[in-house]
Amino acid sequence: GEQVEQRPPHLSVREGDSAFITCTYTDPNSYYFFWYKQEPGASLQLLMKVFSSTEINEGQGFTVLLNKKDKRLSLNLTAAHPGDSAAYFCAVSASSGSWQLIFGSGTQLTVMP
Amino acid sequence: DTTVKQNPRYKLARVGKPVNLICSQTMNHDTMYWYQKKPNQAPKLLLFYYDKILNREADTFEKFQSSRPNNSFCSLYIGSAGLEYSAMYLCASSRVGTGGGAEQFFGPGTRLTVL
Repeated sequence: GEQVEQRPPHLSVREGDSAFITCTYTDPNSYYFFWYKQEPGASLQLLMKVFSSTEINEGQGFTVLLNKKDKRLSLNLTAAHPGDSAAYFCAVSASSGSWQLIFGSGTQLTVMP
Repeated sequence: DTTVKQNPRYKLARVGKPVNLICSQTMNHDTMYWYQKKPNQAPKLLLFYYDKILNREADTFEKFQSSRPNNSFCSLYIGSAGLEYSAMYLCASSRVGTGGGAEQFFGPGTRLTVL
């Protein structure tokens, strides 16, 4: 079945720097892709949902890149600030008809002032 | 209201004793999920209800039970807790309808510690 590997497990950057997180997946038929953010003591909150047809997705302060050829999903937080400190999880829906999300193991991001 | 509520937030249980965790949502979502999350690991899907139909993962089939007496409420039941059950349990819900790829809304989790 689908497997998702997320790197790095821990990331520490200075305020104003970029933070880059990558997930690789195995199923070429994967259709929907998600990034979730979890602040301490809080629920996982959806950051962005990406469709397989869109390679570059812009959010507020971040960009999500999808490389279907390499089966890689990336999150780039541009000009990170301390409020971005959280755990980030990627998730992949294995096919267009699947209800299940396969999660990466998460990246703990710390943004230092 | 897009919140998913979970009770309790923290649960202490003895080995061999039963555990019942509760989740609720008021978004009229047709699907509710339970995940187990251990430190430095991905959330692992245990089971989900689509409407009244329960789907359990093959490797956790015998370890977890669930009930969904109405659309808003879903419980996770462990008949006899073992040390390996210590984890964060996340409940989520989504409106799946007939398609896939629906956003899942998560609760804050219940941290279960088995002693």
